[in-house]
Amino acid sequence: QQPVQSPQAVILREGEDAVINCSSSKALYSVHWYRQKHGEAPVFLMILLKGGEQKGHEKISASFNEKKQQSSLYLTASQLSYSGTYFCGTELNENRDDKIIFGKGTRLHILP
Amino acid sequence: DVKVTQSSRYLVKRTGEKVFLECVQDMDHENMFWYRQDPGLGLRLIYFSYDVKMKEKGDIPEGYSVSREKKERFSLILESASTNQTSMYLCASSPGFGQYFGPGTRLTVT
Repeated sequence: QQPVQSPQAVILREGEDAVINCSSSKALYSVHWYRQKHGEAPVFLMILLKGGEQKGHEKISASFNEKKQQSSLYLTASQLSYSGTYFCGTELNENRDDKIIFGKGTRLHILP
Repeated sequence: DVKVTQSSRYLVKRTGEKVFLECVQDMDHENMFWYRQDPGLGLRLIYFSYDVKMKEKGDIPEGYSVSREKKERFSLILESASTNQTSMYLCASSPGFGQYFGPGTRLTVT
């Protein structure tokens, strides 16, 4: 049930774009995205709900393809501060408990 | 801002000891979670709670128990610590949309 993230790691130069994918073998109700910097706790970025629109703020956005059970996170014109590990989390049902299953993460390293 | 605090950043315990990890959130969230994070494995759910005195097993509950006597506090208990429980433990709380994490406790069992 654990979603699969790809790529496992990516190295970019500042200003380049990145796409991180998250796919599930099961139908999804929602997809969450989190970023974790080294030595810090994960930070919630956004949630995409079934039937919802593409979301984003500034240069980080995400899409959710319900039919393909996939989500993608787009980082445009990456900044040094974007470095970290990105996790997707998937929710199968619309339950009150907000229980999600996390992928193993994608390590993103931005070079100056 | 949501604030989730954990009782210790670093903890060293001996095999067989009983270990308590405390988590407190100040935003009146109903849902609280305990994860462990190990390199290459991501975040794995140990237990979660969606209400006071309610608890549900996550994916890896063996060797752990939890307690939630008050809404703001969720405790993780290792009844008899073992070396394979050496890990980073993260607590999170949620209002239903998105989870907010504490700083984590790095537990070493020797």
